[in-house]
Amino acid sequence: QLQLQESGAGLVRPSQTLSLTCAVSGGSIDGGGYSWSWIRQSPERGLEWIGYVYPSGNTFYNPSLKSRVTISIDMSKNQFSLNLTSVTAADTAVYYCVRDDMNGLMHWFDPWGQGVLVTVSS
Amino acid sequence: DIQMTQSPSSLSASVGDRVTITCRASQDISTYLNWYQQKPGKAPKVLIHSASNLQSGVPSRFSGSGSGTDFTLTISSLQPEDFATYSCQQSYSVPRTFGPGTKVDIK
Repeated sequence: QLQLQESGAGLVRPSQTLSLTCAVSGGSIDGGGYSWSWIRQSPERGLEWIGYVYPSGNTFYNPSLKSRVTISIDMSKNQFSLNLTSVTAADTAVYYCVRDDMNGLMHWFDPWGQGVLVTVSS
Repeated sequence: DIQMTQSPSSLSASVGDRVTITCRASQDISTYLNWYQQKPGKAPKVLIHSASNLQSGVPSRFSGSGSGTDFTLTISSLQPEDFATYSCQQSYSVPRTFGPGTKVDIK
């Protein structure tokens, strides 16, 4: 059974960089042609898709965050990562890593990691 | 970006009730629509994908319908474990976007 687990700093200072890693177990990150996404959730913004990465390294980011986001993949470690620069309090949220499951052209998010709360505060 | 709206934003219902939640997209998304259930402190879980396809392991009391811009999630007989927040999400285009959620609580 595929499982995803986020890790990283839970407290980030304003203007610094938020860095998270998602470890994938129970399957290969390079198998099946799936993309791997980061999604965040806050009371103010609800669920917000941040972007995805393919095993090839190709990425697509939400235009609202594109200037500050980098998502990368490390197939040797079976994990992918998120970097978000110049954070502010508005970036405080629970961050989830997810697989973009699919059937043909249809896509949905499954499974999800348990989520990690990241607070931006001095 | 495709905007997703849901109605109602919350509802109160009793065990055994039939519950219907509506999701609307700002443009035609065919059947590229997914439904998720989220309980407090937990990650969302997919219930329905591609508008009407029940995810493996999800009880058959959940069903989805619709195409184009208007979609519906129905719970045929609400169970105690169904009290949660339900969100729709479009996969027609990037960026992927979610509805604001509908909270179902106990009457």
